[in-house]
Amino acid sequence: DTGVSQNPRHKITKRGQNVTFRCDPISEHNRLYWYRQTLGQGPEFLTYFQNEAQLEKSRLLSDRFSAERPKGSFSTLEIQRTEQGDSAMYLCASSGWTGIPNTGELFFGEGSRLTVL
Amino acid sequence: GESVGLHLPTLSVQEGDNSIINCAYSNSASDYFIWYKQESGKGPQFIIDIRSNMDKRQGQRVTVLLNKTVKHLSLQIAATQPGDSAVYFCAEIKDDMRFGAGTRLTVKP
Repeated sequence: DTGVSQNPRHKITKRGQNVTFRCDPISEHNRLYWYRQTLGQGPEFLTYFQNEAQLEKSRLLSDRFSAERPKGSFSTLEIQRTEQGDSAMYLCASSGWTGIPNTGELFFGEGSRLTVL
Repeated sequence: GESVGLHLPTLSVQEGDNSIINCAYSNSASDYFIWYKQESGKGPQFIIDIRSNMDKRQGQRVTVLLNKTVKHLSLQIAATQPGDSAVYFCAEIKDDMRFGAGTRLTVKP
């Protein structure tokens, strides 16, 4: 399977615990995005990387959230001291460089669903 | 059948009919638009895109129409099939990609 891979697919945790999600993008894609999606809503942009550089972060990304892409390949999204409001689907997407900034389709993974009890 | 996007988030059509899903976007400077399909428990899947300098683009069974005057985007699905049942999101791109809330399409056999 050469698509975007995310794990774990489901995570149930207690409030206050830390969780980490991993995303493996399509290998030749240099851009990687994290989105959050709650039930009935469209995905909300969180952050994106070009290679290992984190180029943009949404205001939605509080200090408890941190994302890394240390070698420009896979990425991790960590949520510290989880709150019930963090319960959502966390989607990762990747895209190749098209030569035109911010265009080109995103290839999404199947998401990591977080439930905070 | 036709939806008005955020104001009517559910669209139900008969198999074989044409579907029209509407989206009102927010940024008049957006220069690229994409329609995504999301099935239950899966990530969004690219359907078709259109640049802001175009009014219409056709794919296989799908057509996207862009009206920049009223900031409106629509997705037309011809001969809708049960496999088309999903939530459809439009996304606009300027500095980043922003999604609308989506429309759930249900196809009745």
